[in-house]
Formats: sequence, C-alpha cells, structure tokens
Amino acid sequence: EAQVTQNPRYLITVTGKKLTVTCSQNMNHEYMSWYRQDPGLGLRQIYYSMNVEVTDKGDVPEGYKVSRKEKRNFPLILESPSPNQTSLYFCASGLGWGNQPQHFGDGTRLSIL
Amino acid sequence: DQQVKQNSPSLSVQEGRISILNCDYTNSMFDYFLWYKKYPAEGPTFLISISSIKDKNEDGRFTVFLNKSAKHLSLHIVPSQPGDSAVYFCAATLYNNNDMRFGAGTRLTVKP
Repeated sequence: EAQVTQNPRYLITVTGKKLTVTCSQNMNHEYMSWYRQDPGLGLRQIYYSMNVEVTDKGDVPEGYKVSRKEKRNFPLILESPSPNQTSLYFCASGLGWGNQPQHFGDGTRLSIL
Repeated sequence: DQQVKQNSPSLSVQEGRISILNCDYTNSMFDYFLWYKKYPAEGPTFLISISSIKDKNEDGRFTVFLNKSAKHLSLHIVPSQPGDSAVYFCAATLYNNNDMRFGAGTRLTVKP
C-alpha cells in the first residue's frame, strides 16, 4: 500500500528539548515536504526536498532543520523547540512538479510546553 | 502574506444539494490549482486539479471552475453526500516551483 508514514503521531514535550519527527514514504518519490497546519492559516510549507541531499526552505523554515540522506526518509528536526512551534505537522511526498498532487501522512500533533 | 484565501470557514448543505466552495488567490503567476479533502485525524488527500489554461475540470460529482481574470476558483460537488463532510483546502502553485500555497480551509457539513 502506497503511504507516507510519520512518527510519532502525538508528542508533548518541553521547551528546548531537541526532537525529531520521522517521515518515510514507499512510493519512490523524489519530492518530499513538511507543512504545519495552524487554525486560520491553513497549511504552510516548512522545508522541501527535490531529491537526496537537496533541500530548500519553504514559507516558515525558522526553528526547523531537515535532512535527506535517503530517498525514502525526510526527518524534521526541532533543535530547541519553543511553544510557538506547537502545531499539527504533515509530511508529504510527490513526483516533484507543481502540478503533481502530493501524498500526505496522517500528521503529527506536537505540543511544546 | 496569504496568497490563497478561502473566506468561508464553514459551509452546511443538505444531502443531494450542490456544495460550492470558493477560493481566491492574489498571485497571477500561479498556473496550477488543486483541491484537497481532509478528514479528522488523517492527512489531506488529493481531490481534483486544474491548469490555468483551462476554465473547467470535471471528475464525477466534482467540478472545479477557474476564473483567471477574477483570480477565483470554485469547487462544485453535485449531489452532495454525507461522506463529503470534511475540510477542503484550496492550493496553488507554479508548474516548476514546489512552493505550494494553501488556503485556510473550509469545513463542509452535509446533513442527511
């Protein structure tokens, strides 16, 4: 089954404690992306990757890091989380062009206290 | 700077009637538009898309209309079914740019 898998699905943590949200896709997609969803703001892109070792900033990259060492994995790293990063996060993958729909994971709800 | 706007946070319609969800955008360079549907506790799933060279695209009960001069697109669902109850996101992008911009979403409720 084609899918994008995110872990964990839920996480409550404290300010400053480094965390990583993993994302894996089994569709051999070159393009992967991270979004955050906040009330009234919709989905905003954090980072995206066109291929292995190729990453670029999206709309709201501050406070986040990503890496793309393998095609299937695209982890999101919060080195020093802060309360304003409390949000619902989605990972997505696709074929790599703007007209191609992206496949989304089921989301990770992060609460930073 | 929200380049894609969905001004109606919610919409309620009766089963069997038409649902019309609206979306406006500000960047005239966008050349591809997509609609995603999202159920609670799940990620968004692709529904239908339209290229800027077209003004209509139809897929079963779903039709998307694009008015480039007004920078407006709409999603029509006919007939609406209770299973269509979800949040609908409008998205816009450039063909060769992966910076996809989403609207804030419209929650559709279809009443039996």
